Amino acid sequence: GQQVMQIPQYQHVQEGEDFTTYCNSSTTLSNIQWYKQRPGGHPVFLIQLVKSGEVKKQKRLTFQFGEAKKNSSLHITATQTTDVGTYFCAVPERGAQKLVFGQGTRLTINP
Amino acid sequence: DGGITQSPKYLFRKEGQNVTLSCEQNLNHDAMYWYRQDPGQGLRLIYYSQIVNDFQKGDIAEGYSVSREKKESFPLTVTSAQKNPTAFYLCASTTSGGLYGYTFGSGTRLTVV
Repeated sequence: GQQVMQIPQYQHVQEGEDFTTYCNSSTTLSNIQWYKQRPGGHPVFLIQLVKSGEVKKQKRLTFQFGEAKKNSSLHITATQTTDVGTYFCAVPERGAQKLVFGQGTRLTINP
Repeated sequence: DGGITQSPKYLFRKEGQNVTLSCEQNLNHDAMYWYRQDPGQGLRLIYYSQIVNDFQKGDIAEGYSVSREKKESFPLTVTSAQKNPTAFYLCASTTSGGLYGYTFGSGTRLTVV
């Protein structure tokens, strides 16, 4: 089945530093989604990328979809303590009406 | 407000007992999903349903059962056959088969002692 590799597994930064997490697939993706899960909470949908080379921004968050539609990144500029949590990418599984989630990147921040 | 309601938030059960977790949505979503999350881990799919009276096994369906008698409801039963049931269970829904963003419930933390 569809698999997606997400790196790094953990990232600890000082408040104000930037943060990036990456997702990679061996196959071409129709789209990719990103979610955030706060500690003790549930995943919340952030965005969906569909087009090759697409770049979308949400305040300090920048999402990119690779030209080959096999990889994606989420970049946070100047992290704040509110950014703490685990960030997941998710991709549709071919031939099935469901998403496959990456393992997530857990972000912790030193204030 | 529209959303997904999972109940209870915390659940304790003795080993060997079956337990049913509730998931109700008023978003008029067709597709519903159950995920299991262990501490520090990702999301693993247990079961999913695209329409009423139909559902499919996910990656870790053994020891679990579901029903979809109503569009709004997708309860999950954790049976005594599930060897390690203590986990965080998340229910999600979406408008069309996983092609759009999922809305998640707040989850149920099940502890089996």
